[in-house]
Amino acid sequence: AQTVTQSQPEMSVQEAETVTLSCTYDTSESDYYLFWYKQPPSRQMILVIRQEAYKQQNATENRFSVNFQKAAKSFSLKISDSQLGDAAMYFCAYRPLSGSARQLTFGSGTQLTVLP
Amino acid sequence: GAVVSQHPSWVICKSGTSVKIECRSLDFQATTMFWYRQFPKQSLMLMATSNEGSKATYEQGVEKDKFLINHASLTLSTLTVTSAHPEDSSFYICSATKKGETQYFGPGTRLLVL
Repeated sequence: AQTVTQSQPEMSVQEAETVTLSCTYDTSESDYYLFWYKQPPSRQMILVIRQEAYKQQNATENRFSVNFQKAAKSFSLKISDSQLGDAAMYFCAYRPLSGSARQLTFGSGTQLTVLP
Repeated sequence: GAVVSQHPSWVICKSGTSVKIECRSLDFQATTMFWYRQFPKQSLMLMATSNEGSKATYEQGVEKDKFLINHASLTLSTLTVTSAHPEDSSFYICSATKKGETQYFGPGTRLLVL
């Protein structure tokens, strides 16, 4: 079974600084997707970034980028120039590429606080 | 974009009553919808996977007679909590996906059973 581990329950960052959130996963599959979702106080889950495992290039979305290390099964999220609106719970998630269900497996989350 | 709505956003009910929550994909046809439950400061727990026109697949430990899921069309899935009790109070979230693509989440429904 796939597992996703986020070892940092809480993180804080100063506004305008950079922060990195860690995520490791375990799978026997060779092809899969990895995601970072953000859940602000409104509790709406928002997709931050997506990475296909078959792509060697790290995904980027504006101030958000990932460091995907397939061999190490590591998928960290870097937030640059942190803004107050980045404060949220961040969930790392895994989804197999094939299979009928294609369910997401979530990590336990990292609560990010942005300090003014 | 891919927008998913949920209704209602908030519901308070008496113990023993049933509550229906709707999940709609507004601008795409969803081949699969998922229902999650989330307790405060915890991760999302998958309850069931719903494919249009077929029976839902429930996760281990989720009572299918308690949480009835219907996926009548490619844009609508419903979750009915039957004979709700205070321990069913939680935050319920649905998500929808086009075939082979990202899951998009609804805004969630807060259920409080008195």
